[in-house]
Amino acid sequence: GAVVSQHPSWVICKSGTSVKIECRSLDFQATTMFWYRQFPKQSLMLMATSNEGSKATYEQGVEKDKFLINHASLTLSTLTVTSAHPEDSSFYICSAVDPGGPSYEQYFGPGTRLTVT
Amino acid sequence: SQQGEEDPQALSIQEGENATMNCSYKTSINNLQWYRQNSGRGLVHLILIRSNEREKHSGRLRVTLDTSKKSSSLLITASRAADTASYFCATGIAGKSTFGDGTTLTVKP
Repeated sequence: GAVVSQHPSWVICKSGTSVKIECRSLDFQATTMFWYRQFPKQSLMLMATSNEGSKATYEQGVEKDKFLINHASLTLSTLTVTSAHPEDSSFYICSAVDPGGPSYEQYFGPGTRLTVT
Repeated sequence: SQQGEEDPQALSIQEGENATMNCSYKTSINNLQWYRQNSGRGLVHLILIRSNEREKHSGRLRVTLDTSKKSSSLLITASRAADTASYFCATGIAGKSTFGDGTTLTVKP
């Protein structure tokens, strides 16, 4: 099946710094990728839709100036958490849609665990 | 609010027993996927079932989809202690997935 990678797997940063997370589709081109966030013992919540070559679409309640998304190529989307604070500590997971699939199948990356101290 | 709702929230069974989890959703979908997640780990894809399919099998897993009732079920047969995890359903619409709250399954050896 299709493979999506994320980098880094985990990151610890100090409050006030920025962190960039990469999401790559390894064997298909994805015009659309999604970013999710999961807090401990909770489900995954969609943060934003990343569209190649255009601005991301953010879900209600997600600050677009804090969570910067760049989808510069058909295989790479990046999420930058700016001026991170401890409450941003979470598990961030991306997914990519395979346009060749018959029903918009999407494939998830392994996730990035962010800890802000 | 979440598109998918799962029940039960938590389930505890003995090894060898079957486990059934249910997922209900509100709008039309393209597909529905089931995932497993061990504590602190990423998602493991289990099964995708498309909106025109009614049942799929994969090893000890059986998934059904009833689009008229907007519901799906995941059956794990002959459970093992290693099946202990959280299980999520995710409804897919135009590539975007919406996750249910999940069912925490504990299989006691």
